[in-house]
Amino acid sequence: EVQLVESGGGLVQPGGSLRLSCAASGFTFSDHYMDWVRQAPGKGLEWVGRTRNKADDYATVYAASVKGRFIVSRDDSKNSLYLQMNNLKTEDTAVYFCARPMRHSGRSWAFEIWGQGTMVTVSS
Amino acid sequence: DIQLTQSPSFLSASVGDRVTITCRASQVINNYLAWYQQKPGKAPKLLIYAASTLQSGVPSRFSGSGSGTEFTLTISNQQPEDFATYYCQELNNYPLTFGGGTKVEIK
Repeated sequence: EVQLVESGGGLVQPGGSLRLSCAASGFTFSDHYMDWVRQAPGKGLEWVGRTRNKADDYATVYAASVKGRFIVSRDDSKNSLYLQMNNLKTEDTAVYFCARPMRHSGRSWAFEIWGQGTMVTVSS
Repeated sequence: DIQLTQSPSFLSASVGDRVTITCRASQVINNYLAWYQQKPGKAPKLLIYAASTLQSGVPSRFSGSGSGTEFTLTISNQQPEDFATYYCQELNNYPLTFGGGTKVEIK
């Protein structure tokens, strides 16, 4: 079964750091780009960032709201995706989802696989 | 950045209704548009990609259309399990923007 399982969420003070993990199973993780998406309580979805695969040099792209504070990384040997979140702000409070995009013909077409999400609360 | 405007933000529908949701992009995004369904406390579920291609396993009462800057998600025969929030997403440019969502409630 294709599956993504996030972990690492919790309560952190403003200015603090947290590292989220996403464990992948049921597919060849190393072949795929991977993304993080978040959803603040009662709000819509916001794309956070992406890591490409080895073939595309593991290049990363970020939303402006997190660029310079968040780092997306991966460990293909562990089938795992990570989100290192630094200098956290109250507005980063959200459920964080990892997602796998479907790709063909060199383009991403949609996020076809999602994890269940992990809650991050930034509060003093 | 591309802005996606969904309308309406809320709609009330009855079982059996035909429901239409619109997503307008601030720039041309060709057909790099996806639609998702999300229920409370759950992850989004992919319904449509490439503007009009039905994801495997999704009921045929869901359909998507449009190109360029205007897109539509239609539910042809609203079922009880279809009451949820729907989001569009563009994948033509970074950032990969989502629309603001449309909550479909029971009338």
